[in-house]
Amino acid sequence: SQTIHQWPATLVQPVGSPLSLECTVEGTSNPNLYWYRQAAGRGLQLLFYSVGIGQISSEVPQNLSASRPQDRQFILSSKKLLLSDSGFYLCAYSPARAQETQYFGPGTRLLVL
Amino acid sequence: GENVEQHPSTLSVQEGDSAVIKCTYSDSASNYFPWYKQELGKGPQLIIDIRSNVGEKKDQRIAVTLNKTAKHFSLHITETQPEDSAVYFCAASSPRRGDYKLSFGAGTTVTVRA
Repeated sequence: SQTIHQWPATLVQPVGSPLSLECTVEGTSNPNLYWYRQAAGRGLQLLFYSVGIGQISSEVPQNLSASRPQDRQFILSSKKLLLSDSGFYLCAYSPARAQETQYFGPGTRLLVL
Repeated sequence: GENVEQHPSTLSVQEGDSAVIKCTYSDSASNYFPWYKQELGKGPQLIIDIRSNVGEKKDQRIAVTLNKTAKHFSLHITETQPEDSAVYFCAASSPRRGDYKLSFGAGTTVTVRA
């Protein structure tokens, strides 16, 4: 079966500190991978998506970057966090055989102080 | 690009009653429409989806209907239970974009009163 993991579950970071959030997928090969951000009480904003190793597309200009060092690993990073980076970060994947269907991970809640 | 509008933004129903959420989309080429349920503090969970070659799909107490002519689709929850309380998101995917990204509605907060 396919599963998606995210860690950490919760993170409190000071302004100006670096960030690294990790997402891994099991049980499927060559998935499409996505990073979303959800502000409190708001909808889903697509930040990055990837169709393969090293292939990253950015949806919005921002303080964040993404990398895909392995087929089933997706990393969200920042060199210096801003207060506005606080939010709920969700990773999602879609299987190669059903690329329209996205499955979400449990999310990481980030609070920048 | 695709624009998905979702109504209502909040919905309160008595336990046992039905709940209906409606979404409209702008791109006539959109052909895939999933619905997600998000409980507090968790990631969205895919609960049902429909493709443009089907008008209705049902899974136990939930059903989705699609009207391609009017470009809208709806989620129906029958015999609501307290565990149905959550935020529900609709989405649409269009092959015109050349990728498989989803355009999401803004969400509906459903509260089931016991």
